[in-house]
Amino acid sequence: GEEVAQTPKHLVRGEGQKAKLYCAPIKGHSYVFWYQQVLKNEFKFLISFQNENVFDETGMPKERFSAKCLPNSPCSLEIQATKLEDSAVYFCASSQSMAAQETQYFGPGTRLLVL
Amino acid sequence: AQSVTQLGSHVSVSEGALVLLRCNYSSSVPPYLFWYVQYPNQGLQLLLKYTSAATLVKGINGFEAEFKKSETSFHLTKPSAHMSDAAEYFCAVSDSGGYNKLIFGAGTRLAVHP
Repeated sequence: GEEVAQTPKHLVRGEGQKAKLYCAPIKGHSYVFWYQQVLKNEFKFLISFQNENVFDETGMPKERFSAKCLPNSPCSLEIQATKLEDSAVYFCASSQSMAAQETQYFGPGTRLLVL
Repeated sequence: AQSVTQLGSHVSVSEGALVLLRCNYSSSVPPYLFWYVQYPNQGLQLLLKYTSAATLVKGINGFEAEFKKSETSFHLTKPSAHMSDAAEYFCAVSDSGGYNKLIFGAGTRLAVHP
């Protein structure tokens, strides 16, 4: 598609439950990025992929967070045993290349609320 | 390490007035800089980006930004504010470590009043 698609738009989970978010990049884009935007608008990089391969995972809290990009499937970000501080908006972005000047196109985000 | 600082978390202007949103960067290498806009409950939309081709960059919706290496700044301006410009604006720098992740400033909320 011409836009980055993210589902669901909203997600509510009780503390300790699992949350799974999905992202379909723009058709033809090989690079996918996940960012977390917390309440004070701070954006935190989580992970990036080149096709199905992890490119950079330096931002991932590895204990509970995992992500995948499989061929012919939306990319996913999964949080096992959610915590209150995981409440945030999770954005997916895609780009055509990994050149530093390449534009990243953002999806509308998934708003996760952990109660 | 690279970083971006946006001075002023809130800026308020009258409709028709000049918009100036400030962004300063820290980078040991020539940076690639971006301005994104976020409307309520939406994702980020690229306004413009600096890629070293020209220091004055024109973007969408009448916005422009000037890269000033001596001041390590990339301030966003628009000559005449419109009510529809009310949004959150984020300045970002592309990570120079080869992984291209974006490092964002804290954002500036622009309010436009009649």
